[in-house]
Amino acid sequence: DAMVIQNPRYQVTQFGKPVTLSCSQTLNHNVMYWYQQKSSQAPKLLFHYYDKDFNNEADTPDNFQSRRPNTSFCFLDIRSPGLGDAAMYLCATSRDGGNEQYFGPGTRLTVT
Amino acid sequence: GESVGLHLPTLSVQEGDNSIINCAYSNSASDYFIWYKQESGKGPQFIIDIRSNMDKRQGQRVTVLLNKTVKHLSLQIAATQPGDSAVYFCAETPNTGNQFYFGTGTSLTVIP
Repeated sequence: DAMVIQNPRYQVTQFGKPVTLSCSQTLNHNVMYWYQQKSSQAPKLLFHYYDKDFNNEADTPDNFQSRRPNTSFCFLDIRSPGLGDAAMYLCATSRDGGNEQYFGPGTRLTVT
Repeated sequence: GESVGLHLPTLSVQEGDNSIINCAYSNSASDYFIWYKQESGKGPQFIIDIRSNMDKRQGQRVTVLLNKTVKHLSLQIAATQPGDSAVYFCAETPNTGNQFYFGTGTSLTVIP
């Protein structure tokens, strides 16, 4: 089945230690997104890729970076995680011009 | 650790009754409005969308109403079933770019 896969599902990192979250898709969608979702809150858009073009949200901290080496893969890098970065991180895809986003199951990040 | 989350608005309905979930939006320039369903431990799942030039759109057991005068969106679920228990989010997308912005969710509980 075509899908959006996120690895790992649970990630524990230490305060200040860089961490990378991974997302892959078999849908061949050209748009990929990263969201941060804290407990009982709405997903918050961090940035998205339109093909290779990176689009950062104005309020996304510099601590968050992303890479998209090819259509299928996208990575979220947190350079120096703080306690406030503990959250669920959701990856999603969509086709250009489409309103239907396809979400992965998320990676729950814990910062100790 | 994770910051304390906000309390989601909650709605409890009896199985078989109709549910109405409401959402207020702020951006008059949004092109489309979308409803998502998020079950515990999963990513959001697309339910239905409506273009800003429409007032009503129906899907299978769901109807979305858009009132642009008061910037209000609602999702009606007919004959609510236990499987409908989830958190429901509205989202909006501007008429420029591929971004999606989520509003505050509502937690729906269906009582058997």
